This record gives sequence, C-alpha cells and structure tokens, in this order.
Amino acid sequence: SAVISQKPSRDICQRGTSLTIQCQVDSQVTMMFWYRQQPGQSLTLIATANQGSEATYESGFVIDKFPISRPNLTFSTLTVSNMSPEDSSIYLCSALDTEAFFGQGTRLTVV
Amino acid sequence: EDQVTQSPEALRLQEGESSSLNCSYTVSGLRGLFWYRQDPGKGPEFLFTLYSAGEEKEKERLKATLTKKESFLHITAPKPEDSATYLCAWVTGAGSYQLTFGKGTKLSVIP
Repeated sequence: SAVISQKPSRDICQRGTSLTIQCQVDSQVTMMFWYRQQPGQSLTLIATANQGSEATYESGFVIDKFPISRPNLTFSTLTVSNMSPEDSSIYLCSALDTEAFFGQGTRLTVV
Repeated sequence: EDQVTQSPEALRLQEGESSSLNCSYTVSGLRGLFWYRQDPGKGPEFLFTLYSAGEEKEKERLKATLTKKESFLHITAPKPEDSATYLCAWVTGAGSYQLTFGKGTKLSVIP
C-alpha cells in the first residue's frame, strides 16, 4: 500500500494569512484527493487534485479559497487562503493506489 | 438522495464482548463500500472494501459483510486496542473514486 507523508502535521495561524499543506506519496498514484474533517465530524471531500490540470472542486469549495497543485503523480499541495477561525480543521490528503489511503492529516488552528 | 447511516453513534464494550457496527445505505449505483478505522489525531486507516452483496472479508478480529442495503463490521472478542472511530464510506458513479463518508461509530473497549 502507498505511504503518504503530509506536512506540517499541525500549525497555528493568524487570521488573514495563508497556509500551504504538502502531500508526498512514496509511489506514483492515479488520483489524489483533499478532505476536511471539522472537529467531531466526519470527512468531507474538498477536491480531486488532477495532475497537470486544474483541480475539480466539490460543492461549497472554490479555487480562490483552496488552491490546489499537483505537478506530478506523487505530490500535491493544498493552500488554505485568507484564513478565518472557521477554517480551523483537520485537512487530509488521500491517494488512490489499490485502495484509497490517507495521510496523517494537518491540524490547523486559526486565531 | 443518497444516504448512508452508521449506527450506533457510540458503543461501549467489555473486553471480549463481541458486537457489530452497522452501515445502512440507500445509494444508487454503489460501486464500493469501504471501512476505515480512525484513531484520535490520525488519518483514517484502510480496513476493507466490499463490492457486491454477499461479499465478506476478514482481518484479525474484524469481519465485514455486505448486503443489498447494509454493511456490518463484526468485532469478535475485542481488545482495548480496538477502541477507535470506525467509518464507512462509499463510491458511486462510473469513473468516480471520491469517497463519501458516514458519521462514524466511536467504539470504546473497556478492560
């Protein structure tokens, strides 16, 4: 199974700033995804990271707020832009190998 | 509207007391049903994928089954280290690999 490394593991940020989360997979994978998990809640899909093209966003999520890059088949980034306290959450990267695997997540607190 | 419901929301078991978690669904075009385990502060850990009614899969003390309307995760003689939140997720639609998650069952196994 693929091993996914995500960083940072946690961060505390000032409102109005941006944070970029990196996701590195130890093998080439066909698809990568970004999820959000708000406190005490289940996971919600933000977008599918497409290699070499614009990400595909789910309803309620927009590129200006959550720009995503995927320059190759093993790496992706998610930026949380112009942050507010409502963005405090855990952000998770997922990769599709034989199954869908997850990184350990980034716990973001916006103050 | 596609719906997946996990029950119970929380379950407390004595060590060795077997039980089952339920994931019931009304999803058209189900292409796969997934079970994950999530420990606090960590990303989901893949357990099983089930694709068709009647399918069963086992891993140590866990056994997952699928019918046309629901999936069960049976836990036999659980140990305290089985304490976690168990999530079911599903995939629908041709060519789609995005997971939609249920709200989870928080399992506590008491020594």
